[in-house]
Amino acid sequence: DVVLTQTPPTLSATIGQSVSISCRSSQSLLHSNGNTYLNWLLQRPGQPPQLLIYLVSRLESGVPNRFSGSGSGTDFTLKISGVEAEDLGVYYCVQSTHAPYTFGAGTKLELK
Amino acid sequence: QVQLQQSGAELVKPGSSVKISCKASGYTFTSYDMHWIKQQPGNGLEWIGWIYPGNGNTKYNQKFNGKATLTADKSSSTAYMQLFSLTSEDSAVYFCARRDYFDYWGQGVMVTVSS
Repeated sequence: DVVLTQTPPTLSATIGQSVSISCRSSQSLLHSNGNTYLNWLLQRPGQPPQLLIYLVSRLESGVPNRFSGSGSGTDFTLKISGVEAEDLGVYYCVQSTHAPYTFGAGTKLELK
Repeated sequence: QVQLQQSGAELVKPGSSVKISCKASGYTFTSYDMHWIKQQPGNGLEWIGWIYPGNGNTKYNQKFNGKATLTADKSSSTAYMQLFSLTSEDSAVYFCARRDYFDYWGQGVMVTVSS
């Protein structure tokens, strides 16, 4: 199975600070069809996860553009340019290139 | 707007089975995979499998072979997951989510296995 390693496990930030989360895969997530199925989710306390970014860097409709994704192959990054209070929660990367699909262990974003 | 409405919480006995539902609305049910994901308290997310309601094709995480069965009813736009031979390890919140981007999620169903 593909292992996704997220770092850091916990991130403390002040409002307005820019932060980045890394997601490293145990194998390339480039699909034979040319797409890379690496997505980013945010789960707020007591809520289901919500999609932020799909296909590495595509912003989901309705998601603020302070969120951005980048990377290729095995190394991926989610950046938040100016954290807001509503961004607090647990961030997960998830790959759907190779079955079984797998999630990173999560990065908890909290206020400093 | 796309919505996935899941059934209510379940309290079930060890060794029994349970069937939970996910009713889709706001899109063509038969055009997108429906995925199921497990989240144990305080833990991360685990993919169980998907079903394509258009033709009933399924794909499972091998870990859940024999544990979970996915079905779909096109007439009611509802996906189902049945879990068998329940143990305490199956106590978790189970989500349905649309397509392999996981773009829409149900609210989750808490399944508690206890005697």
